[in-house]
Amino acid sequence: RKEVEQDPGPFNVPEGATVAFNCTYSNSASQSFFWYRQDCRKEPKLLMSVYSSGNEDGRFTAQLNRASQYISLLIRDSKLSDSATYLCGNNQGGKLIFGQGTELSVKP
Amino acid sequence: DAGVTQSPTHLIKTRGQQVTLRCSPKSGHDTVSWYQQALGQGPQFIFQYYEEEERQRGNFPDRFSGHQFPNYSSELNVNALLLGDSALYLCASSLFSREVEDFGAGTRLSVL
Repeated sequence: RKEVEQDPGPFNVPEGATVAFNCTYSNSASQSFFWYRQDCRKEPKLLMSVYSSGNEDGRFTAQLNRASQYISLLIRDSKLSDSATYLCGNNQGGKLIFGQGTELSVKP
Repeated sequence: DAGVTQSPTHLIKTRGQQVTLRCSPKSGHDTVSWYQQALGQGPQFIFQYYEEEERQRGNFPDRFSGHQFPNYSSELNVNALLLGDSALYLCASSLFSREVEDFGAGTRLSVL
């Protein structure tokens, strides 16, 4: 079993839609989690860190469920510019463990 | 304020050759980590350097080695290249006491 697993993509949604991604992790000792955004052939950029139950930043909300060992990312009012690959993961003593990524395509 | 910089941006090598990739961390950062990202996959942790020593290592063979210099810059060396080493190699820098990492634009390595 992979340490971090994500919903398979791609997700194709219309502009304005709400979309949610889930990510499960196997290391119950993990303390910090994150979501990165990666545009095609570019480097990952930090979208949101999650240390407690959740975090919200504008249209983006991340939730952490330690009992079920998953984190989620909710994107409201999707924009064309949200099209990217979203990577979730956790920090294990200084090394980032990533899932395989979920591709999101927002259509007009 | 320059972020994480990597060189070269692209590289083409043949099987069996050796390659060296370079990374300069973001100003003020003292820790450098290297990741390999194959097509369609998430980045995989290779190793991390702090105070010129390898502090952590992922599940990569000894063909992958690295170095950190006194100015905190780092090199990743890969010997005896295999076709499967073709990937985007990402460098990330951080402060040792903090968790958030900034990534460089990466070096895209193609092994033919």
